[in-house]
Amino acid sequence: DAGVTQSPTHLIKTRGQHVTLRCSPISGHKSVSWYQQVLGQGPQFIFQYYEKEERGRGNFPDRFSARQFPNYSSELNVNALLLGDSALYLCASSLAGLDNGQGAFEQFFGPGTRLTVL
Amino acid sequence: AQSVTQLGSHVSVSEGALVLLRCNYSSSVPPYLFWYVQYPNQGLQLLLKYTSAATLVKGINGFEAEFKKSETSFHLTKPSAHMSDAAEYFCAVSLAFSGGYNKLIFGAGTRLAVHP
Repeated sequence: DAGVTQSPTHLIKTRGQHVTLRCSPISGHKSVSWYQQVLGQGPQFIFQYYEKEERGRGNFPDRFSARQFPNYSSELNVNALLLGDSALYLCASSLAGLDNGQGAFEQFFGPGTRLTVL
Repeated sequence: AQSVTQLGSHVSVSEGALVLLRCNYSSSVPPYLFWYVQYPNQGLQLLLKYTSAATLVKGINGFEAEFKKSETSFHLTKPSAHMSDAAEYFCAVSLAFSGGYNKLIFGAGTRLAVHP
């Protein structure tokens, strides 16, 4: 079975531009989360979507937005790019969305999209 | 608030030596803990997870970790390092919020180097 896929693999943009990153979850997974990994740091949570609704948002500005489609794939959009947005953007999918409060279900990560802002 | 601290941003071991990567967490509720590995230019791969079933957790590639509540630790070990173990390792805690979503909070990572 195919794992989480992300496109594009690499992307180079200039400051002020807009970017759209795409993610396809594992078949049967209904929840998608996005993480930003700046070089030398651990991933930081951006969003979680489940059943096409935003369920959670990390500490990121409104320039960051996302959506989930009926087939559970997802897009992450970033407007007005800054140099500091250069990072590896990771998408993760999981079976469950609504949690029983345990938070124990596993997230499967894609290979990421490397965004460079010049 | 939940957080994760990984002690040592770089660890270097000889091939065949013991690998010990340290992780301490802070959590106000029973935690769910994970170790992920990241090879160069790749995403994250789950090594193992603690979900309260057993304090000693065995994972892939010969890795294991022990949950110690009294020490708030979840250190990762492997008895004998292999050259292919060279990678970045991340400890993470899963945090669930009301409203039904959860997120992973990651440590800063430990880069493991294995030399002949």
